[in-house]
Amino acid sequence: DAGVIQSPRHEVTEMGQEVTLRCKPISGHDYLFWYRQTMMRGLELLIYFNNNVPIDDSGMPEDRFSAKMPNASFSTLKIQPSEPRDSAVYFCASSFPDSQETQYFGPGTRLLVL
Amino acid sequence: SQKIEQNSEALNIQEGKTATLTCNYTNYSPAYLQWYRQDPGRGPVFLLLIRENEKEKRKERLKVTFDTTLKQSLFHITASQPADSATYLCALDRGGNNRKLIWGLGTSLAVNP
Repeated sequence: DAGVIQSPRHEVTEMGQEVTLRCKPISGHDYLFWYRQTMMRGLELLIYFNNNVPIDDSGMPEDRFSAKMPNASFSTLKIQPSEPRDSAVYFCASSFPDSQETQYFGPGTRLLVL
Repeated sequence: SQKIEQNSEALNIQEGKTATLTCNYTNYSPAYLQWYRQDPGRGPVFLLLIRENEKEKRKERLKVTFDTTLKQSLFHITASQPADSATYLCALDRGGNNRKLIWGLGTSLAVNP
């Protein structure tokens, strides 16, 4: 299995531009998580899905952030408009439905907003 | 509010020694506690999970303890190797239907040859 796949790996954009991050979870995993990681705040859960349905989006910073999961093999995280404070590494993770299951992380997207 | 604390300062040890990392939590009653390893430029990788009713869990050179009275977990790497150098993260899981993990900031470990 290729593991969780994220694209792009790096993104540099200017303030005000739209940014779309993509994720392909591991086949058979029913849960998908979007995280943001910074030095100051560590890993923060933004939103997670179960069977393509958003379950908890309480970590989404504000209306500029949105996430979708149109099918079991694809999810997007969109920031519009982007701001410099959005600069961080964004991780996607997936897991099996067992409540004890661990999360498998993708390589992350390093986002820099100028 | 819920809070998780890990050793904020980097840990430097000599190869062959035992590394011990600490994870303390407050205002929380986790059902499970997980430890992950993160290398620079990569996502976290799962290492061990320990349940609230377990005192200790082992996997090869790794050992995790969980003390719900002290609200603390200790993560040990015995016979440490330079390849063990990484950041180690602990995460609390309340179990049940909520899949949200609460993460510590991590502790950086450097094993010197």
